[in-house]
Amino acid sequence: GAVVSQHPSRVICKSGTSVKIECRSLDFQATTMFWYRQFPKKSLMLMATSNEGSKATYEQGVEKDKFLINHASLTLSTLTVTSAHPEDSSFYICSATNPTGGPNEQFFGPGTRLTVL
Amino acid sequence: GDSVTQMEGPVTLSEEAFLTINCTYTATGYPSLFWYVQYPGEGLQLLLKATKADDKGSNKGFEATYRKETTSFHLEKGSVQVSDSAVYFCALTGAGTALIFGKGTTLSVSS
Repeated sequence: GAVVSQHPSRVICKSGTSVKIECRSLDFQATTMFWYRQFPKKSLMLMATSNEGSKATYEQGVEKDKFLINHASLTLSTLTVTSAHPEDSSFYICSATNPTGGPNEQFFGPGTRLTVL
Repeated sequence: GDSVTQMEGPVTLSEEAFLTINCTYTATGYPSLFWYVQYPGEGLQLLLKATKADDKGSNKGFEATYRKETTSFHLEKGSVQVSDSAVYFCALTGAGTALIFGKGTTLSVSS
């Protein structure tokens, strides 16, 4: 149980286009999902916290208009990178909390590798 | 703010060697502490956790003890295997908050 999927696993796009990444909790309802960005050989940086049915809370320095997050249902959150540029190339990872799991435990998706040409 | 500091890597060991990866934290209140592992090309997996002082988390031969007095959560394994080669992340979270990660330590085990 507590499986989180992401789609797509890899995406290559041209500069200026928008890319949508999906994060799904497959066997549980996730009231809260988190989006992280991982740079090469560096740690994960929290981008935003997403609660179902409400606006996402973005971390300082993360552009809300560039990284659009929608959490429309208890099993799906999406991250849209708008007008992507090469500096947006990164590994994006989502996680979800399982209300029936242990305290503070998060389950991570496998990540999405975004390459912007 | 809350933060996690873990030893810089990479750590290179021979198979069956003893492993220690140091992790210290700064936090208000009483955070939960975690070790996550990321194998090449994969997402993060929870390795072990501890939710209160003196708790010992263990899994797959790895152990870490929540030391409040030294604000540490060092990861240990008595005998590493080649398959343990991965990046290890120490992390903490308070109630209802996202995880705060250390920078990760790359472990490379050779046969």
